[in-house]
Amino acid sequence: DAKTTQPPSMDCAEGRAANLPCNHSTISGNEYVYWYRQIHSQGPQYIIHGLKNNETNEMASLIITEDRKSSTLILPHATLRDTAVYYCIVEGSNYKLTFGKGTLLTVNP
Amino acid sequence: EAGVTQFPSHSVIEKGQTVTLRCDPISGHDNLYWYRRVMGKEIKFLLHFVKESKQDESGMPNNRFLAERTGGTYSTLKVQPAELEDSGVYFCASSPGTGETQYFGPGTRLLVL
Repeated sequence: DAKTTQPPSMDCAEGRAANLPCNHSTISGNEYVYWYRQIHSQGPQYIIHGLKNNETNEMASLIITEDRKSSTLILPHATLRDTAVYYCIVEGSNYKLTFGKGTLLTVNP
Repeated sequence: EAGVTQFPSHSVIEKGQTVTLRCDPISGHDNLYWYRRVMGKEIKFLLHFVKESKQDESGMPNNRFLAERTGGTYSTLKVQPAELEDSGVYFCASSPGTGETQYFGPGTRLLVL
């Protein structure tokens, strides 16, 4: 299963865009990139996923590089409630999700 | 639409006792997954049901853990006998079909004393 690399922590000012990077250089051609977040000790919350093309939904945008070796999750206007641990996951064989340590995003007022 | 629900939200038991966790997936979701986070570690996959069948149980730590999904609706995860290292948060997730987005429940916090 492809592994992902994320920075351990990032800060962002409230109202600004938060850009969270992820490297997944060993991703296979048919593997999706998923992003989840965990706020405090709640269950992981699905944000967005993609295969090749950039994706956007009401929560975020996902930019995947052409070679698919990295991606960026963009929260366009971060709020204090977006403070969470963000996980970039490449869905592995048998469809199980492999969580790493993720990125702790702190949104500051 | 109701999300994934888990019961209980918290459980405190003594070593050697039995605990049963329950997960109700989103209505109509055939796929159900169990994950857990033990103290200081990352969230790890335990197993995957498709309807009532175990599709993948490669993450189950040992034979003290038994997962069932009779009738293909809700699932239970029994730990018998519980050990100290079983303490952690147990998450359940469901998806409509295999390979589709997994939606997580709030988790059950288990503390074994």
